[in-house]
Amino acid sequence: EAQVTQNPRYLITVTGKKLTVTCSQNMNHEYMSWYRQDPGLGLRQIYYSMNVEVTDKGDVPEGYKVSRKEKRNFPLILESPSPNQTSLYFCASSPRTSGAGTDTQYFGPGTRLTVL
Amino acid sequence: SQQGEEDPQALSIQEGENATMNCSYKTSINNLQWYRQNSGRGLVHLILIRSNEREKHSGRLRVTLDTSKKSSSLLITASRAADTASYFCATAPEANSKLTFGKGITLSVRP
Repeated sequence: EAQVTQNPRYLITVTGKKLTVTCSQNMNHEYMSWYRQDPGLGLRQIYYSMNVEVTDKGDVPEGYKVSRKEKRNFPLILESPSPNQTSLYFCASSPRTSGAGTDTQYFGPGTRLTVL
Repeated sequence: SQQGEEDPQALSIQEGENATMNCSYKTSINNLQWYRQNSGRGLVHLILIRSNEREKHSGRLRVTLDTSKKSSSLLITASRAADTASYFCATAPEANSKLTFGKGITLSVRP
């Protein structure tokens, strides 16, 4: 089944403890992206990647890192999480490097992160 | 920055009625997309309409785009309780690949 998977789905952690949220897609998509969703703010893009080894900042990149060493994986890294990073996180992918400029985005199921 | 602004913020209708949701945006676009999100879950793509298109249909969904007014509408006909969800419009500017989402519309369909 064509899909975007994220792990973990739920995570409670403490301030400062490094964590990684994994994202994987099995559709051979070029473009991948991370969003966070907060009440009243909608979805905001954190980082995106148009291809392997190519990443760029979105609207709210502070406090996050990403890497794209393989086409299928796009992990989101929080080196030192803080309470204001408590949010619902979504990974998404699109077929071409142009991403949402031309294509639909396919979303993962989400990761609910709580930072205490 | 938020580009798409949906209207209304919340909508409650009876099953069988039609639901109309609107989206306005500020700058030129390559395409506009509508997504649905059931509570706390991932977004599901509904329709993508390109800037040179005026109307698209998919089942009970109809999307229109008026680039002169920088607005779009999503019509769900003969609504069902299962249509209860949040609906988001998202725009992709011509120049880059970022998708910018609105804050969403909460649709409640009463059985």
